[in-house]
Amino acid sequence: KQEVTQIPAALSVPEGENLVLNCSFTDSAIYNLQWFRQDPGKGLTSLLLIQSSQREQTSGRLNASLDKSSGRSTLYIAASQPGDSATYLCAVRWHSNYQLIWGAGTKLIIKP
Amino acid sequence: DTGVSQNPRHKITKRGQNVTFRCDPISEHNRLYWYRQTLGQGPEFLTYFQNEAQLEKSRLLSDRFSAERPKGSFSTLEIQRTEQGDSAMYLCASSPSGSFEAFFGQGTRLTVV
Repeated sequence: KQEVTQIPAALSVPEGENLVLNCSFTDSAIYNLQWFRQDPGKGLTSLLLIQSSQREQTSGRLNASLDKSSGRSTLYIAASQPGDSATYLCAVRWHSNYQLIWGAGTKLIIKP
Repeated sequence: DTGVSQNPRHKITKRGQNVTFRCDPISEHNRLYWYRQTLGQGPEFLTYFQNEAQLEKSRLLSDRFSAERPKGSFSTLEIQRTEQGDSAMYLCASSPSGSFEAFFGQGTRLTVV
C-alpha cells in the first residue's frame, strides 16, 4: 500500500534555528514529491516540487532533498522566523496514479 | 488574480440539503483535482479531470458526490443529501499540461448542522 508518513506531528523551536522536517514514503517508484505549507483554515501553498530524477530543490531559505532508495525526503528551513509557523505537508505522486498521497503534516511553531 | 479560485469560501447547510461548490483553475491548466481535508489530517483525493474527462474517482466517494467539468474549464462538485460527516474543507487544485505540479485554491469549508 502506498503511504506517506510525517514525523513529528508537531515541532516548536526558537527563532533563528535551522530545522529539518521529515517525510517518509513506501514504494520507491515515485513520480514526484511536493512540499506544501498550510496556514490555519487556509488552502495549500506549494513550496517545492522534486521530480523523481532529482536529489534536491532549493527556494530561498528552503531546501528539499529526496532519497528514493530509503523512501525519505527532508525539508530544511534555514534561519527560522515566526512567519514560518504553519503546518507543512508532504505529498507524493506515484507513477501508477494521478492523485497525490499525503502525510498528515508537521505543525511548526517558531517562538520569537 | 491568476490563482485557483474556489467559491463559496464557506458554506453552512442543514443535514439533508444539497450543496454545490465551484472551482476555477488557473487559465490553461488542463488537469483539475478535488480533495477533501478534515481537521488535523492531510487531504484525501476525491476525483481527477483531464480537460473535460473524469479519469479517476476515489472509491471513498459515495454516489452522493458528483463532479463535472464541462468544456474543460471550471468544475463543480455537488454533494446530495449532506450528512454531518461531510463537514470538511473541500480543496481544488490544477496542474498544467506536461506537469503534475499541483496549485491549490483556498478551499471551501463546509459545515453540516
